[in-house]
Amino acid sequence: RKEVEQDPGPFNVPEGATVAFNCTYSNSASQSFFWYRQDCRKEPKLLMSVYSSGNEDGRFTAQLNRASQYISLLIRDSKLSDSATYLCVVNRGSGGGSQGNLIFGKGTKLSVKP
Amino acid sequence: DTGVSQNPRHKITKRGQNVTFRCDPISEHNRLYWYRQTLGQGPEFLTYFQNEAQLEKSRLLSDRFSAERPKGSFSTLEIQRTEQGDSAMYLCASSLDGTGLGEQYFGPGTRLTVT
Repeated sequence: RKEVEQDPGPFNVPEGATVAFNCTYSNSASQSFFWYRQDCRKEPKLLMSVYSSGNEDGRFTAQLNRASQYISLLIRDSKLSDSATYLCVVNRGSGGGSQGNLIFGKGTKLSVKP
Repeated sequence: DTGVSQNPRHKITKRGQNVTFRCDPISEHNRLYWYRQTLGQGPEFLTYFQNEAQLEKSRLLSDRFSAERPKGSFSTLEIQRTEQGDSAMYLCASSLDGTGLGEQYFGPGTRLTVT
């Protein structure tokens, strides 16, 4: 089982739609959770951190369920500019040498159409 | 531009040759990471430095790969005797200790093609 698993996608939605991405992680010791965005042929960029019960940033809402080891990202009123690959990311963060690196899911591609 | 920079941006090499990539992190960041990304996959962790100390290496980092950060500033990643399977985007990221365990800032990457 992969350490971070995401919806395979791709998601093709019209402008204005609401879209939800799901992610599960296998290491219960993971401490930090994130959504990164990656545009085609560009580097990943941090979209949102998800630290406790979740958080909201404008049209974006991230939720974390530690008991189920499940993370979600909701995008409301989607824009053409939201088209990108969304990467679910986990930091093991259990102390010692493993606290530095991020574990990325494969990503889910979103295409928002006019 | 004060972000993470990487050089070269593209590298084409023949199988068996050695290549070296450079990463310049954000100046005040003491942590530096190397990742590898292939098409359709998320980035995979290779190694990480805190200042000049290399604190962790992935099993993906075979003995043909070596990374250094001699003065705790820029870092180099060398691949010896390249193989076609080494073709990928090599990403560098940096972060500041204590600001959160996932807020890493990525450079634009070096795309390696081994022919």
